[in-house]
Amino acid sequence: DAGVIQSPRHEVTEMGQEVTLRCKPISGHDYLFWYRQTMMRGLELLIYFNNNVPIDDSGMPEDRFSAKMPNASFSTLKIQPSEPRDSAVYFCASSLGLQLFFGSGTQLSVL
Amino acid sequence: KQEVTQIPAALSVPEGENLVLNCSFTDSAIYNLQWFRQDPGKGLTSLLLIQSSQREQTSGRLNASLDKSSGRSTLYIAASQPGDSATYLCAVPMKTSYDKVIFGPGTSLSVIP
Repeated sequence: DAGVIQSPRHEVTEMGQEVTLRCKPISGHDYLFWYRQTMMRGLELLIYFNNNVPIDDSGMPEDRFSAKMPNASFSTLKIQPSEPRDSAVYFCASSLGLQLFFGSGTQLSVL
Repeated sequence: KQEVTQIPAALSVPEGENLVLNCSFTDSAIYNLQWFRQDPGKGLTSLLLIQSSQREQTSGRLNASLDKSSGRSTLYIAASQPGDSATYLCAVPMKTSYDKVIFGPGTSLSVIP
């Protein structure tokens, strides 16, 4: 398996634009997590899914953030409209059981 | 609410030295604890997972211990190498949601050749 795949690897956009981050979890994994990492706040859990169903989105900072998982092999995290304070590295992770496997992340810069 | 801290925030050691990284958590009713490694600009790689019923786990030069009663875990790295330079993070699940994993801030390790 290729592991957790995220795209794009880097995203630079202007304030107010819509941003969509994508994730393909490891096949067979039933949990999917979206994390955000910044120097100031470290690694924060935004939302996670179990069997494609959102379980806890309490970490989503604002209504500008939304996430979907239409099927077991794909998830998106959308920010609309984006703001400079959204600049961070966004990680997707999946698990089957207790061990987490992370993607390489998307470096988002909002100008 | 589960809170995870790690000490020290940064550590620099000469190659070959043995070292210990520390992780503390506020709620001892955990299901497991994981140690991760993160290289600059990369994602996180799982190193060791300790179940709540276990006291330690070993993988090569790495040994992780868990003391639930005191809310502590340590990651021991033997005979450190420059390739061990990275940030090491510990993570535990929330008390009420065993599948909701919370991360510590990490320890940045530099092994000097």
